[in-house]
Amino acid sequence: KQEVTQIPAALSVPEGENLVLNCSFTDSAIYNLQWFRQDPGKGLTSLLLIQSSQREQTSGRLNASLDKSSGRSTLYIAASQPGDSATYLCAAGGSRLTFGEGTQLTVNP
Amino acid sequence: SAVISQKPSRDICQRGTSLTIQCQVDSQVTMMFWYRQQPGQSLTLIATANQGSEATYESGFVIDKFPISRPNLTFSTLTVSNMSPEDSSIYLCSVELRDNEQFFGPGTRLTVL
Repeated sequence: KQEVTQIPAALSVPEGENLVLNCSFTDSAIYNLQWFRQDPGKGLTSLLLIQSSQREQTSGRLNASLDKSSGRSTLYIAASQPGDSATYLCAAGGSRLTFGEGTQLTVNP
Repeated sequence: SAVISQKPSRDICQRGTSLTIQCQVDSQVTMMFWYRQQPGQSLTLIATANQGSEATYESGFVIDKFPISRPNLTFSTLTVSNMSPEDSSIYLCSVELRDNEQFFGPGTRLTVL
């Protein structure tokens, strides 16, 4: 059974700082890994999808990497802004996703 | 991406009653999914809704409690039956598009008294 863990559970940083969110998974036989953002009381917004054959994906200030052999993925956020404050979730699998518990990020002005 | 809507957005229900949640997508999709997010927790997959066949349920979820319909390629419903306070959660539908990327609806926040 796939298990997904995210570290840290919460993170508070000053505006402008670069930061890294970590995600680990136990079963490396995944088709892809997807990062989402969830704002309070809202649904999920897809940020990045990394397919199993890929090593990383980039979108604007976001960069996600995937290392299947070690069962790890990282989400790098450059030059953080207060608008980045949200809960970030990673999910591993194929069609049937297993989610981590999330990292609650607060970026302080 | 896809535009996904859910109805209702929230509801407060009495124990023992049932609530049907609707999920509508703006394009035809093969795979639709229903997830539950209990208070303070992450998402758990309830079932995969396939058009033209019965839904496939994950361990711990049964059809009698969470019947699902998928009448066409743009619509699905999830019913939460015989509700108890433990069913208080956010229920989200998602769709799978190209390359297995999933997109989520805004969720239905359910409170059971």
